[in-house]
Amino acid sequence: AQSVTQLGSHVSVSEGALVLLRCNYSSSVPPYLFWYVQYPNQGLQLLLKYTSAATLVKGINGFEAEFKKSETSFHLTKPSAHMSDAAEYFCAVNGGSNYKLTFGKGTLLTVNP
Amino acid sequence: DAGVIQSPRHEVTEMGQEVTLRCKPISGHNSLFWYRQTMMRGLELLIYFNNNVPIDDSGMPEDRFSAKMPNASFSTLKIQPSEPRDSAVYFCASGGSGRGQETQYFGPGTRLLVL
Repeated sequence: AQSVTQLGSHVSVSEGALVLLRCNYSSSVPPYLFWYVQYPNQGLQLLLKYTSAATLVKGINGFEAEFKKSETSFHLTKPSAHMSDAAEYFCAVNGGSNYKLTFGKGTLLTVNP
Repeated sequence: DAGVIQSPRHEVTEMGQEVTLRCKPISGHNSLFWYRQTMMRGLELLIYFNNNVPIDDSGMPEDRFSAKMPNASFSTLKIQPSEPRDSAVYFCASGGSGRGQETQYFGPGTRLLVL
């Protein structure tokens, strides 16, 4: 079985501040992990993914995430928030199934000027 | 590549009417997924196809929902008859299959409103 918990359904930061979106997973096998972003009225766009190579993964738009097996975490960070980062972010896990991604409930990021 | 294409982008219909949503996956992808997104339930997987064959339809809400994939480049999700509680955004996603190819690429969605 696999599951994802995103801590905080809503995160608000000031422009230029650090962005930290938390994701914890459970998986019975070494997982593949994903972060997707959804802008208003759009589909989900892949930000980055971890597939058992480097534990620090860099994605688009300056985001990165670090896989920490001991903490079963895959938190998403960005050093300096931009207004254009305002969106909903979803963490997802694939824990061995050949197709199924299990998504978290999402975190809505608000960036204040 | 044009990405996953969905049509229509918006659909407004009356309760009891038939609704057909369409999806064209990315060329070369052999997995196709239909999702439904609502505020209450978040993102739900409805059905998964691999090589045009339905593999897992356990997420399909009830018999009013049906999905087909007649060929590798086209899929439909049909609701008949539609009900107001079916109002949601429906996403189609495509990807590879097998370990290491799990990345799913999403279409822009169809926003369905059933009055």
